Amino acid sequence: QVQLQESGPGLAKPSETLSLTCTVSGGSISPYYWSWIRQPPGKGLEWIGYIYYSGNTNYNPSLKSRVTISVDTSTNQFSLNLTSVTAADTAVYYCARHSAVARSGFSNWGQGTLVTVSS
Amino acid sequence: QSVLTQPPSVSAAPGQKVTISCSGSSSNIGNNFVSWYQHLPGTAPKLLIYDDNKRPSGIPVRFSASKSGTSATLGIAGLQTGDEAVYYCGTWDNSLGVFGGGTKLTVL
Repeated sequence: QVQLQESGPGLAKPSETLSLTCTVSGGSISPYYWSWIRQPPGKGLEWIGYIYYSGNTNYNPSLKSRVTISVDTSTNQFSLNLTSVTAADTAVYYCARHSAVARSGFSNWGQGTLVTVSS
Repeated sequence: QSVLTQPPSVSAAPGQKVTISCSGSSSNIGNNFVSWYQHLPGTAPKLLIYDDNKRPSGIPVRFSASKSGTSATLGIAGLQTGDEAVYYCGTWDNSLGVFGGGTKLTVL
């Protein structure tokens, strides 16, 4: 059973870059699609973007100018960079695997990691 | 404001059946498969239903779902106290992933 684990700093300062990595174990990162999803405190889920194992990406237009998702098949990891963060970016960040094609459900999720944006 | 609309909460007694609705539009639910997720606090969301009405292996048959037009419905039969969670519907709107605001299920 594939498992995902998010890692990265739990605190980011306003205007800085939030960087997270998702490590995939128990399976290969190819040939799947992989997403980042976040949940601000007390709110619902927000899809950030996805990457295909080959490197093709698709981002939420509301975050597109600040988001970069990358993949490293040699380490079975994919990463999220979110620039110019503000308090509104405080959230639990999840990585997830798509069950099949790009526009499919998310079959496997990480436990999530809380990132707080504060000075 | 979520793209998909769900009731904030539903409740029912153990053993009963409950349904959770998810309303969207032709650009999302009307033209894409719907998934349903169960989310317990502090845990990873779990996929309950994919492709409108299919259950992944290991998901009990008492979880069911349907879709009609631009709305989808999750049904949970034989409610158990362990079913208390927040349930989200999700789909795609063109190439944008979208979710409902979540429905908190209370098993009285």
